[in-house]
Amino acid sequence: ETGVTQSPTHLIKTRGQQVTLRCSSQSGHNTVSWYQQALGQGPQFIFQYYREEENGRGNFPPRFSGLQFPNYSSELNVNALELDDSALYLCASSLGSRPLNYGYTFGSGTRLTVV
Amino acid sequence: DAKTTQPNSMESNEEEPVHLPCNHSTISGTDYIHWYRQLPSQGPEYVIHGLTSNVNNRMASLAIAEDRKSSTLILHRATLRDAAVYYCILRDGQGGATNKLIFGTGTLLAVQP
Repeated sequence: ETGVTQSPTHLIKTRGQQVTLRCSSQSGHNTVSWYQQALGQGPQFIFQYYREEENGRGNFPPRFSGLQFPNYSSELNVNALELDDSALYLCASSLGSRPLNYGYTFGSGTRLTVV
Repeated sequence: DAKTTQPNSMESNEEEPVHLPCNHSTISGTDYIHWYRQLPSQGPEYVIHGLTSNVNNRMASLAIAEDRKSSTLILHRATLRDAAVYYCILRDGQGGATNKLIFGTGTLLAVQP
């Protein structure tokens, strides 16, 4: 089975620009979550998509938005980039929105640098 | 959400057992204890989870205190590939549509050859 793949692996953007990050979920998984990880910190939950709808959101402003497609892949969009948005963005997939018994599978992330 | 407390860092020698502690004094009766680890340049990886009883799998063992206010992740024989940040996370077993993971800063495990 394939794992979670994210693209691109690295990205440099200018303050004020917009960015789209992509995630392909693990085969058989129907739920995708996005996390932001600043340097030296643990990942912070951004939002989760289940069956193409957002069903949970962390403490992030509306300029962070997302999509989930019928094949369960997902996009994270960030508008009006700020310097503090520089971070590792992680995508995690799971079967069901509450995968207590088998956890989440994470991708290796996209390293975003805003200059 | 209940919080966990872990040491910032620990060191171990290769092929020796490692005991990674986690305190969660405000744990509720429906909280599961999950462990993830994050190797350098990778996303977090599920390790193990439990509710009340001790658990074993191919990666590690999880020992849960009788009052559930603390737990210990046990790596039976550390290898260099076990060097990572280990996160202890509580997850509510009931209620709500989303079961997000709340990460702290974790324990950075260094393994010496």
